[in-house]
Amino acid sequence: TQLLEQSPQFLSIQEGENLTVYCNSSSVFSSLQWYRQEPGEGPVLLVTVVTGGEVKKLKRLTFQFGDARKDSSLHITAAQPGDTGLYLCAGAGSGNTPLVFGKGTRLSVIA
Amino acid sequence: GAGVSQSPSNKVTEKGKDVELRCDPISGHTALYWYRQSLGQGLEFLIYFQGNSAPDKSGLPSDRFSAERTGGSVSTLTIQRTQQEDSAVYLCASRWTGLGGYTFGSGTRLTVV
Repeated sequence: TQLLEQSPQFLSIQEGENLTVYCNSSSVFSSLQWYRQEPGEGPVLLVTVVTGGEVKKLKRLTFQFGDARKDSSLHITAAQPGDTGLYLCAGAGSGNTPLVFGKGTRLSVIA
Repeated sequence: GAGVSQSPSNKVTEKGKDVELRCDPISGHTALYWYRQSLGQGLEFLIYFQGNSAPDKSGLPSDRFSAERTGGSVSTLTIQRTQQEDSAVYLCASRWTGLGGYTFGSGTRLTVV
């Protein structure tokens, strides 16, 4: 069974601070996706990383895929209250096989 | 449609009753997935469809759970003889190919009392 461990589970920070969220597994994934979920809504895709060592930037968010394609990180620079939400990582196997999700990191950014 | 639509958005049912949850995916998306999200837990995979067939039903928790998809479009998840432990948010997602991300609906919050 493929498992994804996310850390930390909860994070409460002040506006303007930086933070990093980690997603780790003992399994290799063909790609890894990050989603953000707000209360009462479904998760929304932020990014997909495919190549080992890949780094993608989305405004103040930087995503990295580990060289061995087993782990990933999400770094947020100068966090804002609008970044508040549940961040989920999800690992993909081949074809249309279902994504495996981590339990998420609940981020709260206080103004 | 423009997005994934789920209905109802909220459902309160008595223990022992049957419930049907509906998912209307994005038009043209061939793959459809059902997940369950409980408080403090991640997304638990239930079942997925490729077209109208279900190659992977491994996540269904018991034989009280079943799902079907018709016309390569709408899917229904049925839970028979509901139990309190079935209370959760049931999320549906669709995608066009195996390389793309999921588009999720807003979910159905099921409460069994």
